[in-house]
Amino acid sequence: DAGITQSPRHKVTETGTPVTLRCHQTENHRYMYWYRQDPGHGLRLIHYSYGVKDTDKGEVSDGYSVSRSKTEDFLLTLESATSSQTSVYFCAIGGLAGVDNEQFFGPGTRLTVL
Amino acid sequence: QKEVEQDPGPLSVPEGAIVSLNCTYSNSAFQYFMWYRQYSRKGPELLMYTYSSGNKEDGRFTAQVDKSSKYISLFIRDSQPSDSATYLCAMSLSGTYKYIFGTGTRLKVLA
Repeated sequence: DAGITQSPRHKVTETGTPVTLRCHQTENHRYMYWYRQDPGHGLRLIHYSYGVKDTDKGEVSDGYSVSRSKTEDFLLTLESATSSQTSVYFCAIGGLAGVDNEQFFGPGTRLTVL
Repeated sequence: QKEVEQDPGPLSVPEGAIVSLNCTYSNSAFQYFMWYRQYSRKGPELLMYTYSSGNKEDGRFTAQVDKSSKYISLFIRDSQPSDSATYLCAMSLSGTYKYIFGTGTRLKVLA
C-alpha cells in the first residue's frame, strides 16, 4: 500500500462519541486526502491537505475535522459520531492532476457507529 | 445528476472474454481520467490514466477517452478470474487536488 498505514483498521463506537482516525505515510508526499466509501456513492472526498497545517474541505466535510501537524500524519476526527458516518474511510497520498496523477490509497478503516 | 456516472454491475463474463467498462461525465472541463481497480476489502490501486482524448494501452488494458461524448472506457482483453474486482473511474481538472470518482462497476470473471 505504497507506505501508507491507517489506524485503527476497524472500530465500533457509539453515537455521540468522538473518534479519531490516523493516516501515516512514509513517502514524504505533500498531498494527503481522506475519503469515505459507501455503496451507491463511491469514493467521496472529505478533506484534503496540501501541506503541513494546510487543509481544505471536500464535498462531504460536515461533521468532520482534520489536522496535519507533520508531513507524515493526517488525522481525521469525527467530533460527535453519528450512524450516518458508518462507512469505510480511506486515506490517500499524491495526486496533483497534471503533475503527479497517481493517488496511492491506504488499506482503509472500517468504522461502525451504533 | 452526478458529475460522473458508472453502471454498478455486477458484470459477469467468462474467462478469456473482452470486457468493456464505461463512465460518462457532465463536466466538459475534466482533463485527466483514471481507472482504479479495487479488490474486496482493499484500497483502490491505479490501473491507468490518460490526459485529454485518445487511447492508452498497457498490456491487456486499454483506456479510451471520448471528450466530445463525455465518455470514457476501459477494455480488458483475455480477462482472467484474477481481474474480478470493482473498477472505479475518476477524473479531475488540471492543477487541482480533487478527483471525482464514479461509484464503481463490479466485475466477475468466471473460470
